[in-house]
Amino acid sequence: KAGVTQTPRYLIKTRGQQVTLSCSPISGHRSVSWYQQTPGQGLQFLFEYFSETQRNKGNFPGRFSGRQFSNSRSEMNVSTLELGDSALYLCASSLQGATGNTIYFGEGSWLTVV
Amino acid sequence: AQTVTQSQPEMSVQEAETVTLSCTYDTSESDYYLFWYKQPPSRQMILVIRQEAYKQQNATENRFSVNFQKAAKSFSLKISDSQLGDAAMYFCARDSGNTGKLIFGQGTTLQVKP
Repeated sequence: KAGVTQTPRYLIKTRGQQVTLSCSPISGHRSVSWYQQTPGQGLQFLFEYFSETQRNKGNFPGRFSGRQFSNSRSEMNVSTLELGDSALYLCASSLQGATGNTIYFGEGSWLTVV
Repeated sequence: AQTVTQSQPEMSVQEAETVTLSCTYDTSESDYYLFWYKQPPSRQMILVIRQEAYKQQNATENRFSVNFQKAAKSFSLKISDSQLGDAAMYFCARDSGNTGKLIFGQGTTLQVKP
C-alpha cells in the first residue's frame, strides 16, 4: 500500500510568486491535513480537509489556501510568497481524521523563497 | 491554550543504553490520543508509538515504551537498547478534537553515541 505522496519534493520560488503543492493520501484515507515546519516556529497546523470540505484551519494568513478533490487528493497554494514562507510543508492523511485515527505523513515539500 | 511541551531540546545516549524523553501537555478533553513521532534526517515523520488517554496501561512497541501519567498530563518516551538508527528528532503530539489536527511539541533531538 503506497504511503502519502507529496510533489514536488523541492522547489525554489521568488518573492511575490505563488506556489502549489500536491498531496496524494493513502488509499482509502479521506482526511488530509497540512503542516508547516520551520526551525523557529516548529510544526504548525495549516488546515485539514475531509470529503472536499475544509474542516479545520490554523492561524495562517489568507495567502495560504487549499482544496481537496473527490479522490481525496489535496493541494495547497501559497500566493504572494514571502521569504518567511521558506519551510518544509508536510502533508498527512488519516482514515476519517477522527480521534484515534493514526495520522501518516508524507516526506514533505521543501520550499525555498528567494 | 492547549499546548504540548518538550523541555529537552537535545539529549544524548550511549548505544545500547536507555534514554527517556519528556513531554507534558495541556487539554480540556476527556478522550484524546497522544503520539510520539520520529523525524530522521530524511524529514519524514514516522509514528513511533501512540497512547489512548482512557487506557491506563502504558503502550509498548518493541524497544519503545511510554510512561503515561494522566493526572499529571505527562507522556514520556523510553527507548531501551538504543541503536544508532534511533538518532533523530522526536516529537510528542496530541490530537485535537475529532479532527485530523495534531498539536506538536517543539521536538527533542536525540544523539546516539557509538
